[in-house]
Amino acid sequence: DTGVSQDPRHKITKRGQNVTFRCDPISEHNRLYWYRQTLGQGPEFLTYFQNEAQLEKSRLLSDRFSAERPKGSFSTLEIQRTEQGDSAMYLCASSLEGTGGTEAFFGQGTRLTVV
Amino acid sequence: AQSVTQLDSQVPVFEEAPVELRCNYSSSVSVYLFWYVQYPNQGLQLLLKYLSGSTLVESINGFEAEFNKSQTSFHLRKPSVHISDTAEYFCAVASLVHNKLIFGAGTRLAVHP
Repeated sequence: DTGVSQDPRHKITKRGQNVTFRCDPISEHNRLYWYRQTLGQGPEFLTYFQNEAQLEKSRLLSDRFSAERPKGSFSTLEIQRTEQGDSAMYLCASSLEGTGGTEAFFGQGTRLTVV
Repeated sequence: AQSVTQLDSQVPVFEEAPVELRCNYSSSVSVYLFWYVQYPNQGLQLLLKYLSGSTLVESINGFEAEFNKSQTSFHLRKPSVHISDTAEYFCAVASLVHNKLIFGAGTRLAVHP
């Protein structure tokens, strides 16, 4: 399968714990995005990378959130000191550099539940 | 800044009936427009997109959308729906400079036999 893969698919954690999610983009894609989707809402942009550089971060991304893409390939999203409001589906997408019309391919997401 | 409004959160329809899912957007700059579909327990998939040229764009499975600049709309239509079209549909925009997508809240299409 050469699509975007995310791991884990589901994560249940206690409030206050740290969690880390991984995203493996399509291999030739140099752009990688993280989105968050809550129930009944569309995905909301969190951050994106071009190669290993993090080019934009949403105001939604509080100081407890950090994302990395160390070698321009896979990416990790870490949430420290989780809160119940962090419960959501976290989506990763990748695309080729180009105009805004290039297609973004999405993974199936990691569903986080904070109890 | 851009925003997207999907006017219907749910659209129930009978099989073989026509359907229209409405989408309006707001932007101070030119944008690209997209419809993504999310089938149950699957990831988001691109259904169709408008970049430039003909304002009517079509997908391989019979959906079409028309870009209307004066009304800032990008409504999605299908003349005859199938049970398998049951899914959540998201309208999205992206500016010509930044590739990030701004999504609407989604419309759940439920096709009944």
